[in-house]
Amino acid sequence: EAGVAQSPRYKIIEKRQSVAFWCNPISGHATLYWYQQILGQGPKLLIQFQNNGVVDDSQLPKDRFSAERLKGVDSTLKIQPAKLEDSAVYLCASSLNPGGPEQYFGPGTRLTVT
Amino acid sequence: TQLLEQSPQFLSIQEGENLTVYCNSSSVFSSLQWYRQEPGEGPVLLVTVVTGGEVKKLKRLTFQFGDARKDSSLHITAAQPGDTGLYLCAGDNAGNMLTFGGGTRLMVKP
Repeated sequence: EAGVAQSPRYKIIEKRQSVAFWCNPISGHATLYWYQQILGQGPKLLIQFQNNGVVDDSQLPKDRFSAERLKGVDSTLKIQPAKLEDSAVYLCASSLNPGGPEQYFGPGTRLTVT
Repeated sequence: TQLLEQSPQFLSIQEGENLTVYCNSSSVFSSLQWYRQEPGEGPVLLVTVVTGGEVKKLKRLTFQFGDARKDSSLHITAAQPGDTGLYLCAGDNAGNMLTFGGGTRLMVKP
């Protein structure tokens, strides 16, 4: 079974530029999550989708971050404009809901904002 | 806001030693998960504990969920260099939304 796919793996941009990340969850997983992991910290949930609907986006900085999952499968996370403090690893995870809370993570996208 | 504190933050030991890392919260969780994350990779689920007082063993790893479901521990016996990584605990609040601790970075030297 294929795991969670993410691209790109690495991205370097200048502040005030825009960037987008892509995630393809495990086939059949209805729930998709985006996390931000700053170096030396645990992952912080940004947004949770159930199929193509948003379950929770309370920690998403909506002035600059946006995410969509239009067809209930793959998802994109966008940052516009980026700030230096957005430098982090952006992790996508999926889970088989209501099968359980276990989440399966992709390898992440490491973003460096200069 | 539910917070999970992990200790120690860093641990460097020799191969063959035993160790215990802790995950503590003032909040009750419906379940708690442990993940291991290696550099450049996403976290990989090790175990889920659900019942207060539950103990689960995974080869040399023993996981315990506190009776009150507020804390957990991970004990590794005879650590090996392959155990090196970032160990993360994450609590589930029954909404399938995880709150992660800050992690314990373990290095096992040969």
